[in-house]
Amino acid sequence: GAVVSQHPSWVICKSGTSVKIECRSLDFQATTMFWYRQFPKQSLMLMATSNEGSKATYEQGVEKDKFLINHASLTLSTLTVTSAHPEDSSFYICSASPSRGLSSYNEQFFGPGTRLTVL
Amino acid sequence: KQEVTQIPAALSVPEGENLVLNCSFTDSAIYNLQWFRQDPGKGLTSLLLIQSSQREQTSGRLNASLDKSSGRSTLYIAASQPGDSATYLCVVDKLIFGTGTRLQVFP
Repeated sequence: GAVVSQHPSWVICKSGTSVKIECRSLDFQATTMFWYRQFPKQSLMLMATSNEGSKATYEQGVEKDKFLINHASLTLSTLTVTSAHPEDSSFYICSASPSRGLSSYNEQFFGPGTRLTVL
Repeated sequence: KQEVTQIPAALSVPEGENLVLNCSFTDSAIYNLQWFRQDPGKGLTSLLLIQSSQREQTSGRLNASLDKSSGRSTLYIAASQPGDSATYLCVVDKLIFGTGTRLQVFP
């Protein structure tokens, strides 16, 4: 099956610093990538959807200036958490789909996640 | 606004039992529904994807059904094993996650 990788798998940083998380589709072209956040014992919450070459679409309540998403190529999307604070500590998961939008015939493939801890 | 609910929230069963996990969604106008498993602290593994035009999908001991009109999907796990222990999530239209069912299968 299709493989999506994330780097780093975990990161610890000081409050006020910025952290970049990479999401790569290894064996397919990801037209659309999604970024999710998961707090302990909760389900995944969609943060934003990005199509290659376009600006990301953010879900309500997600600050676009704080969570910068770049999807510059068909195999790479990055999420940068700017000026991170302890409340940003979470499990961040990306997914990638070869289709654009809500195609009925394509699955989305998830990365293994990145655990961010902000001290 | 689409809402996805899973029942039960948690389930603990002995090995060998057949299981039924339920997923309900409020808006029946969906494109697809997907079932995932998530192991603690890890990402998601896709189990089954059901398109809106399909009624069910099967993979090994897993069978997922979809009834759009009633807003329901069921994941059936036959002859459960300890390795099936995980959180099971249903996802509507790739974007909206259910609340999850934490499954524990004990030997």
